[in-house]
Amino acid sequence: SAVISQKPSRDICQRGTSLTIQCQVDSQVTMMFWYRQQPGQSLTLIATANQGSEATYESGFVIDKFPISRPNLTFSTLTVSNMSPEDSSIYLCSVGEQGNYGYTFGSGTRLTVV
Amino acid sequence: AQKVTQAQTEISVVEKEDVTLDCVYETRDTTYYLFWYKQPPSGELVFLIRRNSFDEQNEISGRYSWNFQKSTSSFNFTITASQVVDSAVYFCAATSGSARQLTFGSGTQLTVLP
Repeated sequence: SAVISQKPSRDICQRGTSLTIQCQVDSQVTMMFWYRQQPGQSLTLIATANQGSEATYESGFVIDKFPISRPNLTFSTLTVSNMSPEDSSIYLCSVGEQGNYGYTFGSGTRLTVV
Repeated sequence: AQKVTQAQTEISVVEKEDVTLDCVYETRDTTYYLFWYKQPPSGELVFLIRRNSFDEQNEISGRYSWNFQKSTSSFNFTITASQVVDSAVYFCAATSGSARQLTFGSGTQLTVLP
């Protein structure tokens, strides 16, 4: 299965600033996803990162707040913009492997906004 | 779309007891995949098992076993002779051929006491 390197692992940010999270995969993958996990909650899909085109966002998430880049089949970034304390969460990237429905997750970015 | 329900919010057992985590899923797709993940306090998601909708054979792997029953739309997970290191949040998840992304249940916090 794919190996994912997600950075940073954690960060404490000031309100009003932005943070970019990177996800690097050791092989080419078609499907990449970004999830948010608020404290004590389950994982919620933010968007599907599409290579060469705009990401597909889920209801409640907008591009201005969570811009996503996917320049190639091994890399993606998620930016959390104009942060507020409500954005404090764990953010995880995930890749889906074609055919066998295997899903691998990055180690997560634990974000605290103060 | 899928819906995954984990009715048990928290379970506490004493070490060496057996424990079963419940998962009920809803989907209109005839082909779908079900998963169990473990999330220890460190935050990463650890893949435990994947089953597809056309394979109802139940499985045992060491101390873990799974019971998949389409008739009751359940995909339950049992830990035999629990250990303190099993303490974590356990998520049930589902996807289908059309959705591709994972839909997660709300999670069950398992605490194994020494």
